[in-house]
Amino acid sequence: AQKITQTQPGMFVQEKEAVTLDCTYDTSDQSYGLFWYKQPSSGEMIFLIYQGSYDEQNATEGRYSLNFQKARKSANLVISASQLGDSAMYFCAMSPANTGNQFYFGTGTSLTVIP
Amino acid sequence: KAGVTQTPRYLIKTRGQQVTLSCSPISGHRSVSWYQQTPGQGLQFLFEYFSETQRNKGNFPGRFSGRQFSNSRSEMNVSTLELGDSALYLCASSLDPPGLGNQPQHFGDGTRLSIL
Repeated sequence: AQKITQTQPGMFVQEKEAVTLDCTYDTSDQSYGLFWYKQPSSGEMIFLIYQGSYDEQNATEGRYSLNFQKARKSANLVISASQLGDSAMYFCAMSPANTGNQFYFGTGTSLTVIP
Repeated sequence: KAGVTQTPRYLIKTRGQQVTLSCSPISGHRSVSWYQQTPGQGLQFLFEYFSETQRNKGNFPGRFSGRQFSNSRSEMNVSTLELGDSALYLCASSLDPPGLGNQPQHFGDGTRLSIL
């Protein structure tokens, strides 16, 4: 069974500072993808970043980077230079390679950026 | 390129009724997945369709069903609505090829269903 754990229900960060959102996962699959999504209060899910299980380099997309530690089964999201618009729910998700496009989501972390 | 379009955005129904939600994927995407999001259960996978065939199904009762048309548009149907079906229903589409675990899903804005 697949399980995604996000242990931080809520986080606060000062504007312009960096913040790390934690994600651990449990899977017996060798090949899988890890994803982070942002969900503002309006409801839409916005894709942020992807990391493949066989990728040796950590993924980066602009201010977002994914700290991937395969042995620890962790995929933490790092947001640098936080902006007020970053305030939202953040979800970590995993897609095993053998399950089509079924995604397993964590419970999310609510991030609030303080001016 | 237009994103994933879900209609309607909001829906109010009463217990026992049925409802149909619609999803138009991003042009060229043939995989469409549906999720239910509630405060208590979070995001839960309902089912996935690819080339008009249901490929994966989550752990939901048979009252939840779906289908996909030849143009990749998808509909989700819930019959005999219960109060617990109140949720945000999200549709997501993905590029081919599927099954590699490396394709992000692109989500629509969702349909917020309220059951009275």
